[in-house]
Amino acid sequence: EIVLTQSPATLSLSPGERATLSCRASQSVSNYLAWYQQKAGQAPRLLIYDTSNRATGIPARFSGSGSGTDFSLTISSLEPEDFAVYYCQHRSNWPLTFGGGTKVEIK
Amino acid sequence: QLQLQESGPGLVKPSETLSLTCSVSGGSISGGIYYWGWIRQPPGEGLEWIGSLYYSGGTYYNPSVRSRVTISVDRPKNQFSLKLTSVTAADTAVYFCARHGGDAAGLDLWGQGTLVTVSS
Repeated sequence: EIVLTQSPATLSLSPGERATLSCRASQSVSNYLAWYQQKAGQAPRLLIYDTSNRATGIPARFSGSGSGTDFSLTISSLEPEDFAVYYCQHRSNWPLTFGGGTKVEIK
Repeated sequence: QLQLQESGPGLVKPSETLSLTCSVSGGSISGGIYYWGWIRQPPGEGLEWIGSLYYSGGTYYNPSVRSRVTISVDRPKNQFSLKLTSVTAADTAVYFCARHGGDAAGLDLWGQGTLVTVSS
């Protein structure tokens, strides 16, 4: 099983600031890494798939990068609606696994 | 527009079987090359993939629950289902159904989730 480790656990930032979230895999997942946003009481929403491809309707301020074992999600300028929990997930092999999440909170 | 909706009992007794259904509306569960999966989230915790059903019928399960889980499809009803046997309090979670494996190679369509509590 591939273990995904996200850091930091919590990111305290102000609206307008840049957020950079990290996801590290215990072994290479090639580029098969996705990112999700989850708000309280809601299902996760797909933001990025295969490292750097934005899902339908996702604003350009969200971008993903990386390869192999190290990945990042960047939000270029935080909007009020971006404060949420973010998860990474791989599809390199079975079982699919998720990272533990990064909470982006208002500073 | 395709939508997913989970349904099933919100309370299950320990040692019994948890049964949930995901109804697909706005399109056919047989339309396209997709996986149809179940993911759960214990209260206040992260996400755990339980298993997925491929459009052709093959199934893939998380080793953590493999001995207790079955995912099946009812194509005439446009539904797929989750059965988890011998549940314990550790199985208390919000259960989501979701679609993945299409052009957007992630879990791109989710149900709203349903809370299942295991308690006597």
